[in-house]
Amino acid sequence: NAGVTQTPKFQVLKTGQSMTLQCAQDMNHNSMYWYRQDPGMGLRLIYYSASEGTTDKGEVPNGYNVSRLNKREFSLRLESAAPSQTSVYFCASSEHPGRGVADTQYFGPGTRLTVL
Amino acid sequence: LAKTTQPISMDSYEGQEVNITCSHNNIATNDYITWYQQFPSQGPRFIIQGYKTKVTNEVASLFIPADRKSSTLSLPRVSLSDTAVYYCLVGGVAAGNKLTFGGGTRVLVKP
Repeated sequence: NAGVTQTPKFQVLKTGQSMTLQCAQDMNHNSMYWYRQDPGMGLRLIYYSASEGTTDKGEVPNGYNVSRLNKREFSLRLESAAPSQTSVYFCASSEHPGRGVADTQYFGPGTRLTVL
Repeated sequence: LAKTTQPISMDSYEGQEVNITCSHNNIATNDYITWYQQFPSQGPRFIIQGYKTKVTNEVASLFIPADRKSSTLSLPRVSLSDTAVYYCLVGGVAAGNKLTFGGGTRVLVKP
């Protein structure tokens, strides 16, 4: 099993450009998440999908959109990138929706995004 | 989610035991305590989870006193590869799916 995979690993954008970050998991998990991590900081939740067909905002959703394409895939889109969105983006998945901290989340390797 | 407080950083040497204490004074009755480990340039990885008393797995032990207002992650006989950031999270079903990561504790293991 590959676990959680993310593409691309690195990306440089100019202000105003758009892009989509892809995430896929092969663990048959119900819930998927997108986080961002700024240098020296903890992770902050952008959006999550408790189950296929549902998405909800997290702590920092502004400037982002998500799509739960199917049970395996959860994409994050930046419509008009801004320098403040320079960060490392992590996708995660977990088996049980609604379990919060009591559920184990499995993280991907991250996408390093720089917006100039 | 219960707020947590942990030391910003800790240094240790190979072969020593490392203990990281996390304070969570307003922990709720249904809250679990979970620790994640993050290596540079990688996503966090689940280490251990507990509700009360002591939990042990192949990687670490988690000690939780009776009042549950704090918890201690114990890493036995650390090696250089244990250098990482360790996050303490507290919460439960009532918090939904949301994990809140604080700044974590940066552990540096020296030779």
